[in-house]
Amino acid sequence: DVKVTQSSRYLVKRTGEKVFLECVQDMDHENMFWYRQDPGLGLRLIYFSYDVKMKEKGDIPEGYSVSREKKERFSLILESASTNQTSMYLCAARGGGLTGELFFGEGSRLTVL
Amino acid sequence: AQTVTQSQPEMSVQEAETVTLSCTYDTSESDYYLFWYKQPPSRQMILVIRQEAYKQQNATENRFSVNFQKAAKSFSLKISDSQLGDAAMYFCAYRSLTGNQFYFGTGTSLTVIP
Repeated sequence: DVKVTQSSRYLVKRTGEKVFLECVQDMDHENMFWYRQDPGLGLRLIYFSYDVKMKEKGDIPEGYSVSREKKERFSLILESASTNQTSMYLCAARGGGLTGELFFGEGSRLTVL
Repeated sequence: AQTVTQSQPEMSVQEAETVTLSCTYDTSESDYYLFWYKQPPSRQMILVIRQEAYKQQNATENRFSVNFQKAAKSFSLKISDSQLGDAAMYFCAYRSLTGNQFYFGTGTSLTVIP
């Protein structure tokens, strides 16, 4: 199985701060994803990356950017955090095999004051 | 984009009983994958069960099984002999055969009553 590690479980930031959420996978998988999870809205895709330096916007990319300089690391960046970005952020890597299911990190709960 | 609908925001079940969580999806594709994920409180989301749409046989993993009705675009999860550890948020998800993107439902919060 793929192990996905998110660097911070809980963060508290102030409006306007730059925020980095780090995610590392321990397998050589190309596809990595950042989701935002809010009650009643499920998981919404922010960005995904299918290889180093390759990225695609998901459903809600506004206010976010990503970086993938190495295959194992996929970072989510909030250039100027706002209160409406208070949420749970989930990183995932897609495993191999026929169905290619997602393996998730433990999540990063971000509060923006 | 495909849509996945979970119409039950909350469900409860008595310990040792059986519960069924509903999921419907909308797609024009003929081949795809379906998944159920479990997210325990403050814990990592994990895969419970998966189904390939081209397989008619319903997937089973121990106490977890699915009822896959392709024509109706329905993919329900049955949990038998419910245990306290089954209490979690459950998400249904869809992925097309060739696509990278997963589409998730809004989740069902399952409570197990001792």
